[in-house]
Amino acid sequence: GNSVTQMEGPVTLSEEAFLTINCTYTATGYPSLFWYVQYPGEGLQLLLKATKADDKGSNKGFEATYRKETTSFHLEKGSVQVSDSAVYFCALSDRTGGFKTIFGAGTRLFVKA
Amino acid sequence: GAGVSQSPSNKVTEKGKDVELRCDPISGHTALYWYRQRLGQGLEFLIYFQGNSAPDKSGLPSDRFSAERTGESVSTLTIQRTQQEDSAVYLCASSLMNQPQHFGDGTRLSIL
Repeated sequence: GNSVTQMEGPVTLSEEAFLTINCTYTATGYPSLFWYVQYPGEGLQLLLKATKADDKGSNKGFEATYRKETTSFHLEKGSVQVSDSAVYFCALSDRTGGFKTIFGAGTRLFVKA
Repeated sequence: GAGVSQSPSNKVTEKGKDVELRCDPISGHTALYWYRQRLGQGLEFLIYFQGNSAPDKSGLPSDRFSAERTGESVSTLTIQRTQQEDSAVYLCASSLMNQPQHFGDGTRLSIL
């Protein structure tokens, strides 16, 4: 079945550091891929998405590129801020899975001033 | 409103009581999900409704948990004979098929 694997957290960085959160997936079809973010005390919200191979999703300085050859969708940001401290979830949705969204376990990011 | 609405926002109840949680999805969204999130943990999938298809109940942790959805509207999640390990935030999300999910603010359930 479909699955999503994220790097374990927590990830702790200093402000202005470069961020990468790895995400790989398993799917039998051609899934859509998503990153969601959950800020402290808040609900989940969509951060970015990509619907086909080589697409790059971007939002708020974050980027992720849909890499079909490596089945990956790594999240990157060039210079993190304290306000980026949150939990980040990678997810996929695929026709062969009945379009059911599958979430990764989440990666907690702490950014220090 | 335009978003996913959940009620109540907080629920405190005694062990052994039944609780019913409600989710009002965004109008027109065919997909509806329930998740459980324990403190500091990730999302635990509970159940998935997609249009008129049979729901995917594979995530329900025991037969004390059940959920219903009428058409493409309101859904209720019922937990019978609550236990302390049921304490968590219960999140509802809705979406169009293969589109990003929109999450509600959740119901924080506390079992005394």
